Amino acid sequence: NAGVTQTPKFRILKIGQSMTLQCTQDMNHNYMYWYRQDPGMGLKLIYYSVGAGITDKGEVPNGYNVSRSTTEDFPLRLELAAPSQTSVYFCASSYSIAGARGYGYTFGSGTRLTVV
Amino acid sequence: TQLLEQSPQFLSIQEGENLTVYCNSSSVFSSLQWYRQEPGEGPVLLVTVVTGGEVKKLKRLTFQFGDARKDSSLHITAAQPGDTGLYLCAGAQETSGSRLTFGEGTQLTVNP
Repeated sequence: NAGVTQTPKFRILKIGQSMTLQCTQDMNHNYMYWYRQDPGMGLKLIYYSVGAGITDKGEVPNGYNVSRSTTEDFPLRLELAAPSQTSVYFCASSYSIAGARGYGYTFGSGTRLTVV
Repeated sequence: TQLLEQSPQFLSIQEGENLTVYCNSSSVFSSLQWYRQEPGEGPVLLVTVVTGGEVKKLKRLTFQFGDARKDSSLHITAAQPGDTGLYLCAGAQETSGSRLTFGEGTQLTVNP
């Protein structure tokens, strides 16, 4: 059981380049999330999805895009990379049903991105 | 403004000491979770609390959810070097569904 798998682990981009961060989960979780983590700033939600075909913006969506064509995959697209997007990116998934509280997240091991 | 305030931000103690980490907010949460993160890895869920006043124990770790569901604490007894890591609290509000808001974290170092 792999859980949440993120690729690549590390990437260096030049300003203006584009890339896709891959995320896949094998737990049949309906909810998936993308967070970025900057030193001393905790985790900030970029985008999330409550199921295939449904996505929505989080706190810091500018400069990013997502899609959710299957339950398993939730790629994050960076268009026109900027130095402000240098960060560690985490994908997570959770199971959630209406009226229930407190399902924990399973996180991937992260992608460390540097934009130069 | 950070919705969840964690304190202290950094904590360095000797093996065998006890410690408490706090997570505070002016908002009410439907559930609150604690995670531990080690360098180069994603956060790992330690516990979820959903009821005001709830206390959960995980070996030497004791978690408490405030009566008003606005705050939580994590107490570690007889800390060990293996407890070293970044501890994150995260809360879900009624209006946010399963979306979590994370605190900034407490970096704990336990020295042998």
